[in-house]
Amino acid sequence: QVQLVESGGGVVQPGGSLRLSCAASGFIFSSYGMYWVRQAPGKGLEWVALIRYDGSNKYYADSVKGRFTISRDNSKNTVILQLNSLRAEDTAVYYCAKPISTIAALDYWGQGTVVTVSS
Amino acid sequence: EIVLTQSPATLSLSPGERATLSCRASQSISSYLAWYQQRPGQAPRLLIYDASNRAAGIPARFSGSGSGTDFTLTISSLEPEDFAVYYCQQRNNWPPLTFGGGTRVELK
Repeated sequence: QVQLVESGGGVVQPGGSLRLSCAASGFIFSSYGMYWVRQAPGKGLEWVALIRYDGSNKYYADSVKGRFTISRDNSKNTVILQLNSLRAEDTAVYYCAKPISTIAALDYWGQGTVVTVSS
Repeated sequence: EIVLTQSPATLSLSPGERATLSCRASQSISSYLAWYQQRPGQAPRLLIYDASNRAAGIPARFSGSGSGTDFTLTISSLEPEDFAVYYCQQRNNWPPLTFGGGTRVELK
């Protein structure tokens, strides 16, 4: 069955960095674009980034552009989100998610990893 | 950027009642709308994609309708596990992919 397992969250000071990982299994990882979506405490869902199935194109929300970088390693079935220059407003649960097809609804989600930006 | 507006913000209902949730887009998104359910402490769960298609394993009491700018999620008869927050999401005009602000279905 499809599994997505995020890791790498934690507490970091403003201006710091974190590297989030999402390990995927149960599907042909190299055939799917992968997404990161976040949810601030008590708030709604916000799309963060998307990487195409082969890593050829990457897309970011304006709120994270220039600070976050999405990448993938299809040999390891892993998608990475590098978070730099973190701000208090980046505090959230970060989910990785798989779409039904190319650009589509998200049919599988990980359990999330918590990022807290605080001094 | 397409803005999705969900209404009402909160819906207070009893088990067995019918729930009708609305999602309105700031411009036409054809039928490229999905609905998710999120229970406390859990990740979102896909219910409906492309406006009216139930995702795998989703009970028949959940149905979606609409196209263009106006969409509806209907839960025909609420079960205890259906009390949760529901989000809509569009994929027609991206980036960015956008979500609505959510509707909380609470126990009356």
